[in-house]
Amino acid sequence: DTAVSQTPKYLVTQMGNDKSIKCEQNLGHDTMYWYKQDSKKFLKIMFSYNNKELIINETVPNRFSPKSPDKAHLNLHINSLELGDSAVYFCASSSGLAEYFGPGTRLTVL
Amino acid sequence: GNSVTQMEGPVTLSEEAFLTINCTYTATGYPSLFWYVQYPGEGLQLLLKATKADDKGSNKGFEATYRKETTSFHLEKGSVQVSDSAVYFCALSRGNTGNQFYFGTGTSLTVIP
Repeated sequence: DTAVSQTPKYLVTQMGNDKSIKCEQNLGHDTMYWYKQDSKKFLKIMFSYNNKELIINETVPNRFSPKSPDKAHLNLHINSLELGDSAVYFCASSSGLAEYFGPGTRLTVL
Repeated sequence: GNSVTQMEGPVTLSEEAFLTINCTYTATGYPSLFWYVQYPGEGLQLLLKATKADDKGSNKGFEATYRKETTSFHLEKGSVQVSDSAVYFCALSRGNTGNQFYFGTGTSLTVIP
């Protein structure tokens, strides 16, 4: 069983479109995160949710909106996509002892 | 504040060479320290961790010792293999639920036969 799963794995879309990335974890963790990894592999935290409540919201454009329908899911919705949004987006979950990452979603904005 | 600084890459080594990737940290209190590995096209995987001073984390031939006096957690491996080619991330966390993990910038390692 996959611990942290994300869909889709690849997403290619036009500038200006709205898209969503879904994330699910079956580890029973309370905390989930979204990270953005750029082409130089730099990992930047975007959001963190604990028990469905937003606890970290880094400087991210408000076009990005996370939604946590329950503890096991943290979805990322992106409005009005821009070229600079092209990156790999990773979901992760944590019990506090370690973080477990999903396989990533490679977003390409044309 | 909390932060992690790791040596810049890329690092290129021949197979069976000795590997060191330096990592130093700044943190309040007593954080837990981690090394994560990212193989091409995959997500980050926990490689090893240490939760208190002088602890040594080890896995797959890699080791790192939590040195409070030098605020360091350097990653070492005695003999690297081609399959170790990946990006390595040092990270710290306070270890409580909901706490943020702080990642270094990553060090790319390429091992050539």
